[in-house]
Amino acid sequence: QSALTQPASVSGSPGQSITISCTGTSSDVGGYNSVSWYQHHPDKAPKLMIYEVSNRPSGVSNRFSGSKSGNTASLTISGLQAEDEADYYCSSYTSDSTRFYVFGTGTKVSVL
Amino acid sequence: EVQLVESGGGLVQPGGSLRLSCAASGFIFSSYEMNWVRQAPGKGLEWVSYISSSGNTIFYADSVKGRFTISRDNSKNSLYLQMNSLRAEDTAVYYCARETLGCFGDCYDYWGQGTLVTVSS
Repeated sequence: QSALTQPASVSGSPGQSITISCTGTSSDVGGYNSVSWYQHHPDKAPKLMIYEVSNRPSGVSNRFSGSKSGNTASLTISGLQAEDEADYYCSSYTSDSTRFYVFGTGTKVSVL
Repeated sequence: EVQLVESGGGLVQPGGSLRLSCAASGFIFSSYEMNWVRQAPGKGLEWVSYISSSGNTIFYADSVKGRFTISRDNSKNSLYLQMNSLRAEDTAVYYCARETLGCFGDCYDYWGQGTLVTVSS
C-alpha cells in the first residue's frame, strides 16, 4: 500500500511562492478530481485548505491554490507568511481495493 | 459551533481492545459521512475507516481490516471505532473527521482534537 508521494520538505522566504507536488497514479490523483490538501500545525487538528483539486473552503486565504496535471496535483502558496510554516498533506479518493482514501507522505514547509 | 470530541484512548497491551468514541455537536450528525484518521508518532496521516451517513456503507484500510469496526449512533450523535487485536503499529493519535456535504473525496472540513492510543506491554 503506497501513499501519494510528496517532497519531504519545501522552504521559502517571506513573500515568495512555493509549490508542493503530490504524485499518485491513474487509480487516485490522475483518475478523479477528488484531491484535497490539509495544513497541519503540531498539536492541532488538520485544516482543509483545498478540496476537489482547486476549490478553497470559505475562510481559507486566496494565497492558497491547487491544480492538477495527469497523476500529479500541486498546492501553491503565494506570498509566503510565517504562519504558513506547517506540515501539508494531500489526499485523494482511490479505486485501489485496499482502501477508500489515501493520504500523501506529507511535506514540511519552512519559512526562512 | 461544530464540535467533534474524541475519547477512549489510552494505554493497552498488544492483543488488547479499545473503543474510541467521537461526540458530535453543532450540526445534523445524521446527514454527514464520517471517518477515522490516525497519525503515528513522527509519521504522516493515515486514513483508517469510512462510514456513510446512514451507516450502511463502510470501508477500512487493509492495515485494520478484520480488527477494527466503525459504527455510529445517529440518535446519540456519536461515532465509534472498536479496535481489537491491537498491535504496536496501531499506536497513534486517532482523529474523527467529518466530510463536507456534496464533496467528492475526503474533504474533511472538521476534525476532532484527537485521542492517543498507545499499544505497549
